[in-house]
Amino acid sequence: EIGLTQSPDFQSVTPKEKVTITCRASQSIGSSLHWYQQKPDQSPKLLIKYASQSFSGVPSRFSGSGSGTDFTLTINSLEAEDAATYYCHQSSSLPFTFGPGTKVDIK
Amino acid sequence: EVQLLESGGGLVQPGGSLRLSCAASGFTFSSYAMSWVRQAPGKGLEWVSDISGGGSSTYHADSVKGRFTISRDNSKNTLYLQMDSLRAEDTAVYYCAKKGFTIFGVPIEDWGQGTLVTVSS
Repeated sequence: EIGLTQSPDFQSVTPKEKVTITCRASQSIGSSLHWYQQKPDQSPKLLIKYASQSFSGVPSRFSGSGSGTDFTLTINSLEAEDAATYYCHQSSSLPFTFGPGTKVDIK
Repeated sequence: EVQLLESGGGLVQPGGSLRLSCAASGFTFSSYAMSWVRQAPGKGLEWVSDISGGGSSTYHADSVKGRFTISRDNSKNTLYLQMDSLRAEDTAVYYCAKKGFTIFGVPIEDWGQGTLVTVSS
């Protein structure tokens, strides 16, 4: 099983600040790494696919990078509406797995 | 617009069964692989099962293998999850999700609103 770790677990951020979340895979997964945003009491939403491709309709302040085992989600100029938990997800090999999540709180 | 509407959740006793359904619309259902993903209360996301567009290939997490079965009826644009021998640890919100044309490598692009399954006596 490919394990995914995320850091940090929690981040409290002021609006307009930059947020960086990392996801590390226990073995190489190429670019089969995707990022999701989940707000309280809502379903997850796809933000970034294939490590760095923005999904349709996602604000440009969200970006992704990385390949192999190390990946990063960046939120430039955080807005209040970005308060959520962010998950990485690998679909390279079975069983598909999700990271434990990073909760982003607005100060 | 893609719509995924789950139903069938509820309270069931340990050892019991439930069948979840997901009515899909807004896309060519038979062309897309589909998934079930669950989230226990206050916890993270856990992949449960995947099925190919034609239904010939299915995959399940070890935690549900032999107890859960994913299936689909492309004539009805509906995805199913048959859940047998339910345990307390299966308590979760179950999401129906649309993937791409294949199972491997692709993201989950769309999610339903989820249906809550509670396993308790």
